[in-house]
Amino acid sequence: EAGVAQSPRYKIIEKRQSVAFWCNPISGHATLYWYQQILGQGPKLLIQFQNNGVVDDSQLPKDRFSAERLKGVDSTLKIQPAKLEDSAVYLCASSLKDNTDTQYFGPGTRLTVL
Amino acid sequence: AQSVAQPEDQVNVAEGNPLTVKCTYSVSGNPYLFWYVQYPNRGLQFLLKYITGDNLVKGSYGFEAEFNKSQTSFHLKKPSALVSDSALYFCAVRVYRDDKIIFGKGTRLHILP
Repeated sequence: EAGVAQSPRYKIIEKRQSVAFWCNPISGHATLYWYQQILGQGPKLLIQFQNNGVVDDSQLPKDRFSAERLKGVDSTLKIQPAKLEDSAVYLCASSLKDNTDTQYFGPGTRLTVL
Repeated sequence: AQSVAQPEDQVNVAEGNPLTVKCTYSVSGNPYLFWYVQYPNRGLQFLLKYITGDNLVKGSYGFEAEFNKSQTSFHLKKPSALVSDSALYFCAVRVYRDDKIIFGKGTRLHILP
């Protein structure tokens, strides 16, 4: 079974630039999550989709972050414009139904904002 | 507010000894509890979860955890540590009928040969 795929693995940008991350969840998984993991901290949920609807985006900084999951499969997370404090690893995960199920994580995208 | 705490930043254990990684939680309803492990340069991997039923949960790689409602704890344990268990461990909690899942800050486990 293929795992959760993310790209790119690494990204370096300057502040005020834009960046986008892509995630392909495990086939058949209804729920997709984007997390931000700052060095030395646990993952923080940014947004949770169930199929192509948003379940929770309460911690998403909506003035600069956006995410979509068109057709209920792949998802993209965008930051525009980036700030220094956005430097982190962005993790995508998926689960079969909801978040009582096991979440399967991708390898993450390490973002450095200079 | 819901929260989960991992009071130890780092735990050192000699190989072959039992290990415990602590997790406590504060929620307003029935909790769902999870443990995940993160190896260097790899994504988080699921170890085990408690949803309901038996308070002792067995998971991957010989790990287990005990749900203690009175102490609001869900400590991760293993009877005999291996050097390969060295990694970053995260506890997470979700409350029944609440969609938000919260992760602890993580505990780095060092198994000394």
